[in-house]
Amino acid sequence: LAKTTQPISMDSYEGQEVNITCSHNNIATNDYITWYQQFPSQGPRFIIQGYKTKVTNEVASLFIPADRKSSTLSLPRVSLSDTAVYYCLVVLYNNNDMRFGAGTRLTVKP
Amino acid sequence: DAGVTQSPTHLIKTRGQQVTLRCSPISGHKSVSWYQQVLGQGPQFIFQYYEKEERGRGNFPDRFSARQFPNYSSELNVNALLLGDSALYLCASSPGHAGGNTEAFFGQGTRLTVV
Repeated sequence: LAKTTQPISMDSYEGQEVNITCSHNNIATNDYITWYQQFPSQGPRFIIQGYKTKVTNEVASLFIPADRKSSTLSLPRVSLSDTAVYYCLVVLYNNNDMRFGAGTRLTVKP
Repeated sequence: DAGVTQSPTHLIKTRGQQVTLRCSPISGHKSVSWYQQVLGQGPQFIFQYYEKEERGRGNFPDRFSARQFPNYSSELNVNALLLGDSALYLCASSPGHAGGNTEAFFGQGTRLTVV
């Protein structure tokens, strides 16, 4: 399974756009890039998943360059409630053997 | 619709004891995975079960075992508890091992404290 590297922590202010970049140099052909969000004492929550180019849903966008060796999670106009840990994972499609790293601790300030 | 339910929510055990944690997946989901999350770290994969068969195992000792029942619920057993087993144990369910969306839905977890 490909290893991922992402910043340990990030700070932002309410209303700003936040971009969290993840590197996955050893991503395999059949791997998908998936992001989860976790609040304290709760299980992770799925945010978005993509294979290449750009994916957008109601909460985030995921940008994946052509070489797929990195990806960027974009959170538009964050609020205080977006303060959480964000995990980038590389997942073999349809396989839930997910390997979480330490994640990025995002703190949104007023 | 009920989400993933785990029981108990909190548990305190003594070193050397055995513990059983339970998970009920979302209705219609056939795959269940277990994770251990130590404070300050990301969840670590323990097991995946699909259709009552083990489909994946993480780097955990044989003291950890699991099973999945015909109704797709699952139990995680840990024998000979160590202080280091204190963690949040998470269960995740998804539609299936093959085919369909890989989005995994996590329960709230069971907080196990070993004293």
